[in-house]
Amino acid sequence: DQQVKQNSPSLSVQEGRISILNCDYTNSMFDYFLWYKKYPAEGPTFLISISSIKDKNEDGRFTVFLNKSAKHLSLHIVPSQPGDSAVYFCAAKGSAGNQFYFGTGTSLTVIP
Amino acid sequence: KAGVTQTPRYLIKTRGQQVTLSCSPISGHRSVSWYQQTPGQGLQFLFEYFSETQRNKGNFPGRFSGRQFSNSRSEMNVSTLELGDSALYLCASSEAASNTGELFFGEGSRLTVL
Repeated sequence: DQQVKQNSPSLSVQEGRISILNCDYTNSMFDYFLWYKKYPAEGPTFLISISSIKDKNEDGRFTVFLNKSAKHLSLHIVPSQPGDSAVYFCAAKGSAGNQFYFGTGTSLTVIP
Repeated sequence: KAGVTQTPRYLIKTRGQQVTLSCSPISGHRSVSWYQQTPGQGLQFLFEYFSETQRNKGNFPGRFSGRQFSNSRSEMNVSTLELGDSALYLCASSEAASNTGELFFGEGSRLTVL
């Protein structure tokens, strides 16, 4: 059973515009959420995280929003750049242990 | 600091064979996790080791096993390979036992089963 879902397999955005990637989860025990970016032939690299005590976290062009009541998080990239073209995974974990649950990924293409 | 190193990067096996993959974590990281990535399935958690002990295990058959050595290096083994085991196997390390830190991934070992 997929506890973390990314329902959009792909997204295309014009350079300079906003990219919004969405993620839903089902387990209310999750309290830490992360976004990873993955290029082909490379391992995922950490992008940004948010803990359940916050509803927003910013890091440069990247902002993650968390809506606990809706069990939904989103990643905003503003402005989008061609180098942002990659597969983005959201991940979640509970407070016990170090097991992360990943979504199936969204492939972002930023068109120059 | 060197990153997470996985070997081999690519390998081809036939059904019924077994395979061992190796992972060297970032120096000082004691937690090592393994994930399987297949198209459409995202990253599926296999298991996590901390201080040579398996702390968590995902929903995979017993053909998938692993271990961690005293220097935190880890290996995973898949026996009696099936076609469906073809995937990218990712190793990730992190600093502490249970924290809000992120996982640091290696580049993966791509296994093809013929």
